[in-house]
Amino acid sequence: EDKVVQSPLSLVVHEGDTVTLNCSYEVTNFRSLLWYKQEKKAPTFLFMLTSSGIEKKSGRLSSILDKKELFSILNITATQTGDSAVYLCAVWSGGSNYKLTFGKGTLLTVNP
Amino acid sequence: DGGITQSPKYLFRKEGQNVTLSCEQNLNHDAMYWYRQDPGQGLRLIYYSQIVNDFQKGDIAEGYSVSREKKESFPLTVTSAQKNPTAFYLCASNRGSGVYEQYFGPGTRLTVT
Repeated sequence: EDKVVQSPLSLVVHEGDTVTLNCSYEVTNFRSLLWYKQEKKAPTFLFMLTSSGIEKKSGRLSSILDKKELFSILNITATQTGDSAVYLCAVWSGGSNYKLTFGKGTLLTVNP
Repeated sequence: DGGITQSPKYLFRKEGQNVTLSCEQNLNHDAMYWYRQDPGQGLRLIYYSQIVNDFQKGDIAEGYSVSREKKESFPLTVTSAQKNPTAFYLCASNRGSGVYEQYFGPGTRLTVT
């Protein structure tokens, strides 16, 4: 059975802190890994990572994938209260029938 | 504006009643999905469809049914056989049947009492 495990499950920080969210996976026939941000409604797409070692960056957010060790990290620098959300990691896997498996998410709370 | 719409936003039903959740997309995507999200849980796949008139069960299909008569529409029926139907339901779509970014609708919060 495919598994995606995120840690920590929740995290409370102060504005300006840097945080690192973790995602490890065990899937059959890995294809790519996705990060989403969810603020009480629809998840919004952040990154898709397919190749190992190549960092994807968008403003204060960045992410990298390690296919050898089967994990990814999402970094957020200089956090703001607007970064408070659940961050979801998901992995595409499979042969002819692709499947997207989600982790349980990390609840990030950024206090002023 | 292209996107996915789900209606209604909130839905209340009595136990024993079937209820249908709507999902429509105008992104011209081939593949559509239904997920269920419970507090503190990730998204769990209920059903998915990669082409019109075809769909497959996901990990938690029991007590649910779907249809895919049009490319734009993928309604989900929560039947009385679903033991714990109260949850947040998300519809998603992506182009093709490969590895793509999935786009999500705003969700429907269903409460059954």
